[in-house]
Amino acid sequence: DVLLVESGGDLVQPGRSLRLSCEASGFIFDDYAMHWVRQAPGKGLEWVSSISYNSGSTGYAASVKGRFTISRDKAKNFLYLQMNSLRPEDTAFYYCVKGYSLSYSSSSFDFWGQGTLVTVSS
Amino acid sequence: QSVLTQPPSASGTPGQRVTISCSGSGSNIGSNPVNWYQQLPGSAPKLVMQSNDQRPSGVPGRFSGSKSGTSASLAINGLQSEDEADYYCAAWDDRLNGGVFGGGTKVTVL
Repeated sequence: DVLLVESGGDLVQPGRSLRLSCEASGFIFDDYAMHWVRQAPGKGLEWVSSISYNSGSTGYAASVKGRFTISRDKAKNFLYLQMNSLRPEDTAFYYCVKGYSLSYSSSSFDFWGQGTLVTVSS
Repeated sequence: QSVLTQPPSASGTPGQRVTISCSGSGSNIGSNPVNWYQQLPGSAPKLVMQSNDQRPSGVPGRFSGSKSGTSASLAINGLQSEDEADYYCAAWDDRLNGGVFGGGTKVTVL
């Protein structure tokens, strides 16, 4: 079975950094794009970032571009999100999501992790 | 304000048909497939409709999807109590070069 387990969520002060990790299992990690989607408490879903199957292509929402970096480690089956210069509006549950295909430019997300909470507050 | 527009709420009695609309533009729904997600209270979202009208394995047959031009819809035929959830549409946007979601529709079973 596909399993995505996020970690790294925490309470951090504005301007600080945080790295989220996602351990993937139950599928051939190298064959699929991966994504991060976030949800502020009580709010809707927001696409954050995507990476293609071979790390050759990445994409970011305008709200995080230049501050967040997505990456993947095919040897360890891990997806990462490095978040710098965090702002209070980044407070949200961050979901690690498996793409349906190898392309990063798709909104078809067939498996989701349970999410990790990032709280940005002084 | 979400790029894709959904009604905030929809409701029906058990057994009724409920339809949720999703409106976009030429750079997203008009150019790319639409996917739908169901989020039960306290849970992660789940894909319930893929590529406009394809039901993933395990999704009940009472769920159906369609797309026309820059709009899409998700229908639930024979509404059941376990269908009470938030539903989100999503598409890739070629102009933004990113994924976009609707604001979500809360479906209530009366």
